[in-house]
Amino acid sequence: QKEVEQNSGPLSVPEGAIASLNCTYSDRGSQSFFWYRQYSGKSPELIMFIYSNGDKEDGRFTAQLNKASQYVSLLIRDSQPSDSATYLCAVNHSGGKLQFGAGTQVVVTP
Amino acid sequence: NAGVTQTPKFQVLKTGQSMTLQCAQDMNHNSMYWYRQDPGMGLRLIYYSASEGTTDKGEVPNGYNVSRLNKREFSLRLESAAPSQTSVYFCASSEGQGGLEAFFGQGTRLTVV
Repeated sequence: QKEVEQNSGPLSVPEGAIASLNCTYSDRGSQSFFWYRQYSGKSPELIMFIYSNGDKEDGRFTAQLNKASQYVSLLIRDSQPSDSATYLCAVNHSGGKLQFGAGTQVVVTP
Repeated sequence: NAGVTQTPKFQVLKTGQSMTLQCAQDMNHNSMYWYRQDPGMGLRLIYYSASEGTTDKGEVPNGYNVSRLNKREFSLRLESAAPSQTSVYFCASSEGQGGLEAFFGQGTRLTVV
């Protein structure tokens, strides 16, 4: 069974601090990796994707990928109360199935 | 541009009843997916369709059937609903086989009593 693992949280982060979220995956053939944000009662929305080893930055968000360690992370800089949500890691396994982790709940405290 | 549209948004079924959840996308995407989301479980893939005319099982296919009616539509059928199928169901679509961004519908909240 191919797996995507995340810490469930909640991850409590002071406003203005950096939130660090981690995700590991089991399928070494996975090629693309995504971070989705989901507010309570809403649909997931994409915030970052990464295909290559290294860092990718988009505004306050940075995704990091290490295929050798089968590890992908998301950093949220200058965290805001509006960042309070559940963050879902998703992995495109070899064969085309898009699999999600259980999600990490982030709570940004003023 | 509606994106991904799911119907219905809410549904209550009695155990043993059947129903079909409808999903349509207007983005000309090849791949479509059905997920269920339960508290603390994230999104679990039920079935997916890489292209019109093909379907494949995901992580939790038991108790469900799907039909890729055409490129736009991908339906999920519960033949005999069980309380364990109480969940929020999301349909999604993407241009490629999971390699590109997946867009989600607004979800269907299903309760089986």
